[in-house]
Formats: sequence, C-alpha cells, structure tokens
Amino acid sequence: DAKTTQPPSMDCAEGRAANLPCNHSTISGNEYVYWYRQIHSQGPQYIIHGLKNNETNEMASLIITEDRKSSTLILPHATLRDTAVYYCIVRALEGGATNKLIFGTGTLLAVQP
Amino acid sequence: DTEVTQTPKHLVMGMTNKKSLKCEQHMGHRAMYWYKQKAKKPPELMFVYSYEKLSINESVPSRFSPECPNSSLLNLHLHALQPEDSALYLCASSQTDRDPYEQYFGPGTRLTVT
Repeated sequence: DAKTTQPPSMDCAEGRAANLPCNHSTISGNEYVYWYRQIHSQGPQYIIHGLKNNETNEMASLIITEDRKSSTLILPHATLRDTAVYYCIVRALEGGATNKLIFGTGTLLAVQP
Repeated sequence: DTEVTQTPKHLVMGMTNKKSLKCEQHMGHRAMYWYKQKAKKPPELMFVYSYEKLSINESVPSRFSPECPNSSLLNLHLHALQPEDSALYLCASSQTDRDPYEQYFGPGTRLTVT
C-alpha cells in the first residue's frame, strides 16, 4: 500500500472548517483513500473513503486532487468533540487484497474554543 | 447495532499469568481483527480472521494466541507476557476482509503487564 504523509498537528477554531491534508504521491490506480480518527482513549472511528471522485457524508467531505497524489479531509464546522488524531490511509482492494489497515502517524487536530 | 464490545476495559497481569481478552459484535460481520497500540503510536495489525479462520498473522509472538469460536466472538489468549506487551488492544470487525467498507472498532482493552 502507498505511503501517506500528514502534518503532525494542526489547530482549528471552533465553528470554523478544519482542512486536513494528506500526501500520497505514490498512490496507484486501484488504491482507495480512507480517513479514520481516534479520539483520546477510544477506538478508531471510520470517517469517509474515496477512489477518484470527491465524497461527502454526514461527518465530512473528502477532496481528492485530479492526479490523486493528495487529498484533503474537510470537517465543515469543527467542534471541541472533533479534537482527535486523524489518520489518512491508502489501500488497494482489487486482486483479493485483504481489508488490512496500515495506520501512519496521523495528524493531531486540536479544536480551540 | 453498530457496536463492537470488548472486555475487560482494563487488565493488569503478571508475567506468569494466563488471561484472555474478549471481543463481540452482532452486525453479522465475517471478518474480525486484533490490533495493538502502544502509547502515542498508531494501531498495528496483529491478526485477521475471515469466516472464523485465521487469515493473517503479522508475525506475532506465540505468547499471543487468537481464537474465533464463532462468527460473533473473537478472543485473544495471553500467556507469559512481557512488560513491553503493555498496550491498548483493539478489536475491529468488517463485513468481509475483501470489501471497501469500513472497519468498526471497539473501545479497546488497556493491558498492563507487571
């Protein structure tokens, strides 16, 4: 699976949009981009995933660049409860690939009041 | 019900003890996973079970012994652990181990080996 690079930490003001970048310049055509987050002392929580197109759900939006070498997770109105470590994970599913998550070091998002 | 439960929440054991961690899900998922997470580090995959059969062992020492007695239950048997095995042990499940959908994680068991 392709390696991802994320900033170690970011701050965001409560109520503002949080934009978390992820670089995956070696991604191949069959690899998906997944985002999970882990609030302190809890298990990781799935947020969103995508292949080529931008995606939106009730939690967040995922913007993938046209060349797929980077993506941005957007939390539209951050709250204090969104303070967590956010993990960007790239993995392939074709060819019978096992649903194996390889976590990188992630970005610690601190939402400030 | 999208919940994965893990018991116990906390466990303290000596290096000569034998203990077990338990994980349960009732979502009809056929893939279940054990991860280990050391403090301030990301989770690391240990084992994958698919349709109650072990499909991946990430070179985990034999003092960790997984078991999947049925499609809803996953155990991790611990024996002769070392202090460096102290960590948060996370269980997860997904529909299968071959789909694009999410893994659901439990809250974890925080293990301390003395």
